[in-house]
Amino acid sequence: DAKTTQPPSMDCAEGRAANLPCNHSTISGNEYVYWYRQIHSQGPQYIIHGLKNNETNEMASLIITEDRKSSTLILPHATLRDTAVYYCIAASRNDYKLSFGAGTTVTVRA
Amino acid sequence: ETGVTQTPRHLVMGMTNKKSLKCEQHLGHNAMYWYKQSAKKPLELMFVYSLEERVENNSVPSRFSPECPNSSHLFLHLHTLQPEDSALYLCASSQGSGSRDNEQFFGPGTRLTVL
Repeated sequence: DAKTTQPPSMDCAEGRAANLPCNHSTISGNEYVYWYRQIHSQGPQYIIHGLKNNETNEMASLIITEDRKSSTLILPHATLRDTAVYYCIAASRNDYKLSFGAGTTVTVRA
Repeated sequence: ETGVTQTPRHLVMGMTNKKSLKCEQHLGHNAMYWYKQSAKKPLELMFVYSLEERVENNSVPSRFSPECPNSSHLFLHLHTLQPEDSALYLCASSQGSGSRDNEQFFGPGTRLTVL
């Protein structure tokens, strides 16, 4: 799996958009970008994934740069319940292994 | 609710005990996983089963023994554990490799304490 780099922590204000960056400069052509999050003491939760195109679902939007070397997860209206560790992972669809790094600890403040 | 359940949620055991962790998925998935999450460390993949066959074993000590009797159930049998094995043990399932959507769905975890 390609290595990903994320900031260790970030704060955001409740009700505002939260933009979480991820660098994956060594990503290969068949690797997708996956985002998961883990709320304290719970199992990780899948958020979204993409290959080249931007993606949106009910939880978030994923913006992938044209060269695919970086991406941004956008939580459009952050709530206190979005406080969690967010993991950016590069993996192919044939990979069983998801390499969870340290992630970004996001704290949403009222 | 993710469709993946784990029991027990909390377990305290001595180093000489034998216990088992159970995972059940109600999603019709073909692959199941055990992960370990120690305090302040990233998740570590332990075992992967696909269609009830073990496809990955990440150099896990033999005191951890997985069992997958069918595609819906996964067990982790524990014996003669060490205090450093205390961690959150997470089970996950996915549709399987090569499928259109291979995202993993996690259970709530079992918090294990070894005394």
